[in-house]
Amino acid sequence: GQQLNQSPQSMFIQEGEDVSMNCTSSSIFNTWLWYKQDPGEGPVLLIALYKAGELTSNGRLTAQFGITRKDSFLNISASIPSDVGIYFCAGPFYGQNFVFGPGTRLSVLP
Amino acid sequence: DAGVTQSPTHLIKTRGQQVTLRCSPKSGHDTVSWYQQALGQGPQFIFQYYEEEERQRGNFPDRFSGHQFPNYSSELNVNALLLGDSALYLCASSRGGGTNEKLFFGSGTQLSVL
Repeated sequence: GQQLNQSPQSMFIQEGEDVSMNCTSSSIFNTWLWYKQDPGEGPVLLIALYKAGELTSNGRLTAQFGITRKDSFLNISASIPSDVGIYFCAGPFYGQNFVFGPGTRLSVLP
Repeated sequence: DAGVTQSPTHLIKTRGQQVTLRCSPKSGHDTVSWYQQALGQGPQFIFQYYEEEERQRGNFPDRFSGHQFPNYSSELNVNALLLGDSALYLCASSRGGGTNEKLFFGSGTQLSVL
């Protein structure tokens, strides 16, 4: 079945640093969604992308829809402790609604 | 504006039992999708309900069934529970039954099967 890959699997950064993570697919997507999940909670939608090359920001978060339509990138600037969590990418796949990647686990050190 | 609500928040069952989970979609949404999230993994699609019908289904056995009511709320039923069914069950709502619509998730039901 369709799989999404996310990189890195986990990362430890210092507070104030910028963060970059990506998501790749073997299929072409026409939508990318980025979510953040805190322990014991459901995923919260951060950014939605609908067009190849699109760059969208939400506060300190910026996401881009890759030109090949097989990848997407999420950047977080000036990280703070509340950025800790698991970040998931998701894309629509025929018959499977949205497929989710395995996540990138972010830890922020004070 | 109420978001997606799920009940119960936690549930403990034993193998072979049956369980029913409930979900009310976000105001203005008419489509409900259910996902299973095992520990340390991303959510896995179970099925989607729109206009009271199952529209799409993931790779889950028939032990997993659902229903959508006229008020758009939904239930997920799992029969003959297995230990491997222990997971966080997430409900997501969206609009229009399409596959490109943004999903908004509830906080989930944590199911433990002993």
